[in-house]
Amino acid sequence: AQSVTQLDSHVSVSEGTPVLLRCNYSSSYSPSLFWYVQHPNKGLQLLLKYTSAATLVKGINGFEAEFKKSETSFHLTKPSAHMSDAAEYFCVVSPTIAGNMLTFGGGTRLMVKP
Amino acid sequence: NAGVTQTPKFQVLKTGQSMTLQCAQDMNHEYMSWYRQDPGMGLRLIHYSVGAGITDQGEVPNGYNVSRSTTEDFPLRLLSAAPSQTSVYFCASRARDRFNEKLFFGSGTQLSVL
Repeated sequence: AQSVTQLDSHVSVSEGTPVLLRCNYSSSYSPSLFWYVQHPNKGLQLLLKYTSAATLVKGINGFEAEFKKSETSFHLTKPSAHMSDAAEYFCVVSPTIAGNMLTFGGGTRLMVKP
Repeated sequence: NAGVTQTPKFQVLKTGQSMTLQCAQDMNHEYMSWYRQDPGMGLRLIHYSVGAGITDQGEVPNGYNVSRSTTEDFPLRLLSAAPSQTSVYFCASRARDRFNEKLFFGSGTQLSVL
C-alpha cells in the first residue's frame, strides 16, 4: 500500500521569497516520486521526478526537491517565487515495481503575492 | 503530435443519464488511465489500461466503465450519472512499463451532474 500526504493545502508567499511545499509518503516498495503542477484550467505538467539516482532533483522553472528516505519526505522548494508560479502542486508516488497505480497527494495551492 | 486529447471540455448531465468521455493519444502509448479530480483529494485513479484489450480497476471504479479496442483510444463511460460524479476528469498516458516516466495529461473534462 502507498499513500501521499501534502502537509499544507494552501501556501502563500510574496514574490521573490522562498517556496517550500511539503510532501510525505509511504510505500511498500522503493518508490519513484514526482511533482506535478497544474495551472488554472489546465492539465498537469511534470515539474521533476526522483527515480533512485541523485537525492537532490532539479526540475523546470527553478524548482528542486530532495528525497529523504529516513524522513519519508520529498519536499519541493524554489529560492525565489515568481507570480507565474501560482498554481496547484501535486506530489505523486509510484512504486517502482508494478507502478500502474500512482497515488496523488491532495494538492497544495500556491499563492504568490506581489 | 497532438498529445492527449479529451472531449468534451464541459458537460452537464441530469441524474440517470449516460455519456462517454473520449480520450485519444497519438504517441503510441500502451498505458492509458482515467482520473477524477476533486477539491482536496488530488487525483484518484478510476481505471487504467496497459494495452489494447486489457483494462483494470483503479481506486474509484464504481459507476464507470472503460474499454480499449485500439492503442489510441480509451473512452470512459458513465452508465447512470449521479451527482457524486460531478468532478473534473483527466485522461493520461505513458509508455508501458515505464514506471519512472512522466504521464502525459489531457486538458480535462469538467462534468456536472444535476
